[in-house]
Amino acid sequence: EVQLVESGGGLVQPGGSLRLSCAASGFTFNNYAMNWVRQAPGKGLEWVSTISGSGDRTYYADSVKGRLTISRDNFKSTLYLQMNSLRAEDTAMYFCAKDLPYSSGLDFWGQGTLVTVSS
Amino acid sequence: EIVLTQSPATLSLSPGERATLSCRASQSVSRYLAWYQQKPGQAPRLLIYDASSRATGIPARFSGSGSGTDFTLTISSLEPEDFALYYCQQRDNWPITFGGGTKVEIK
Repeated sequence: EVQLVESGGGLVQPGGSLRLSCAASGFTFNNYAMNWVRQAPGKGLEWVSTISGSGDRTYYADSVKGRLTISRDNFKSTLYLQMNSLRAEDTAMYFCAKDLPYSSGLDFWGQGTLVTVSS
Repeated sequence: EIVLTQSPATLSLSPGERATLSCRASQSVSRYLAWYQQKPGQAPRLLIYDASSRATGIPARFSGSGSGTDFTLTISSLEPEDFALYYCQQRDNWPITFGGGTKVEIK
């Protein structure tokens, strides 16, 4: 059974940093690209970043480029999101999601971890 | 950036009725479009990928159609558990983008 479990969220001051983790199990982690998608309170879904299975290719939304960094440790089957220079508008539930290969879909999602940026 | 516009914003229907949700792209996304269902406090669930392929475990009452810029998600006969938020998402071009969502509510 595929499981994705996010952790690392919390309350952080503007300008601060946080590292999110997503522990994966139930599939061969290094075979799949992985994603971070966020949802501000009461708002819609916003794609944040994608990383290839090997980790050699990364993609970012313009709104986070230069501040958030996606990475993965295939030995630990864990996805990360390093979040620096955080802003109030980064406040959201952050979901990790697994790619359905060679398709448009993200087929498994974690339950999310909440990041609140506030003084 | 490809903008996805979903309509209507809210759809008020009764159980057993047919639901038709629309997603329009600002430029062609070929068939690289997916649909998700989200219930309060839950993660999104993939329903349809590549415009018309049902994801694993998704009931046959959910179907997707369209290509290019115009897409439709149809729920043939609404079950009580289908009242939720629905999002479309494209993956033809970076960045990946989502539509604003359609809420299907009980009339």
